[in-house]
Amino acid sequence: QLQLQESGPGLVKPSDTLSLTCSVSGVSISSNRYYWGWIRQSPGKGLEWIGIIYYTGTTYYNPSLESRVSISLDTSKNHFSLRLTSVTAADSAVYFCASEHTLVVGARNWFFDLWGRGTLVTVSS
Amino acid sequence: QSALTQPRSVSGSPGQSVTISCSGTSNDVGGYNYVSWYQRHPGKAPQLLIYDISERPSWVPDRFSGSRSVNTASLTISGLQAEDEADYYCCSYAGSYTLMFGGGTNLTVL
Repeated sequence: QLQLQESGPGLVKPSDTLSLTCSVSGVSISSNRYYWGWIRQSPGKGLEWIGIIYYTGTTYYNPSLESRVSISLDTSKNHFSLRLTSVTAADSAVYFCASEHTLVVGARNWFFDLWGRGTLVTVSS
Repeated sequence: QSALTQPRSVSGSPGQSVTISCSGTSNDVGGYNYVSWYQRHPGKAPQLLIYDISERPSWVPDRFSGSRSVNTASLTISGLQAEDEADYYCCSYAGSYTLMFGGGTNLTVL
């Protein structure tokens, strides 16, 4: 059974780089039937799509974050990661990782069928 | 990209029906058949309720239904139950391989 678990520092200093990991169990992240994504929720606000990665390494990012964000895969540890550079207080949020399971190789469903519980990241000095 | 517009809050009594709207444009909600809805209880992982505007995963009760009219999608919950009290979020494909979420709606079961 697929499970996702976010991990990483809960506190990041302004201008530093935020790094989070999503550990995947039950499925190989090298599967061609899954896309792996990140979403965040700032305090008092709605969800914000950050980006997504396919097993080929192909990535798609939110245009508003594209200059600062990168998502990568680590097949040896079966996890994928998020890096967000030059963070400010506006990047404080609960960060979720999620999966998109596609029945057709390479096709997109455009919805997330499983999410992690999220991890709170606060940007503060 | 601007977030899709949802009402901040809705409420209903047990057994009643409530509808949550999700307003977008022809570049997102109205332009593609890829609207999904998620439920999130405090401290828990969001859960998929509806995908492709009105399709329901097998594990979701048929009390939950989705629809769309022009640029506005809607989630209707019939036969409200106490456990439906949660936050609800819509999501739409917005072109150029991107997704957009709504601001979220808090449902209170009176």
